[in-house]
Amino acid sequence: GQQLNQSPQSMFIQEGEDVSMNCTSSSIFNTWLWYKQEPGEGPVLLIALYKAGELTSNGRLTAQFGITRKDSFLNISASIPSDVGIYFCAGRISGTYKYIFGTGTRLKVLA
Amino acid sequence: GAGVSQSPSNKVTEKGKDVELRCDPISGHTALYWYRQRLGQGLEFLIYFQGNSAPDKSGLPSDRFSAERTGESVSTLTIQRTQQEDSAVYLCASSSAGRAEAFFGQGTRLTVV
Repeated sequence: GQQLNQSPQSMFIQEGEDVSMNCTSSSIFNTWLWYKQEPGEGPVLLIALYKAGELTSNGRLTAQFGITRKDSFLNISASIPSDVGIYFCAGRISGTYKYIFGTGTRLKVLA
Repeated sequence: GAGVSQSPSNKVTEKGKDVELRCDPISGHTALYWYRQRLGQGLEFLIYFQGNSAPDKSGLPSDRFSAERTGESVSTLTIQRTQQEDSAVYLCASSSAGRAEAFFGQGTRLTVV
């Protein structure tokens, strides 16, 4: 099935470090969503972005909707052990309600 | 309800049997999505509903897979003649017409033995 390119695939970082991950696509999207998934759970919505260039924060998380509408990034500042999980981006295809998901970034935080 | 509810949470079935997976979306949400997630992988789009109609069924892997939604509420995903390759977590999400955020249920873990 269709998937977005998400990088990095995995990250091992020290507690307190900042983290950055991004998604790119050949398609234009009109909405970007960022999710976190923990083992055995469904994805939990972190941030939603609706306009090109939009920069939105949720606590230590900041995400941006790329100007070209083909990319988005997520930053996590001052990471803590509970940030561990898999982070997914999702883009909504213009004119539809269909979301395509990124391949995921697996984050591990070392205390 | 308060969130998206899926049942059963776990299902073990024998190869060749049919299974039905159920999704109760958030009350009032008009859009409903089904995704499949194989172990250690990302979310693979299967189908979405806008109201009771399904504008995009392009993700259904084969004609063994079908889904329906009634009353702009509950949806069922049916897999006929299950195969071992169908083993995965099946996730359902819903969103409202006015807001684009899609909220997920806990998923149904399907194991075909």
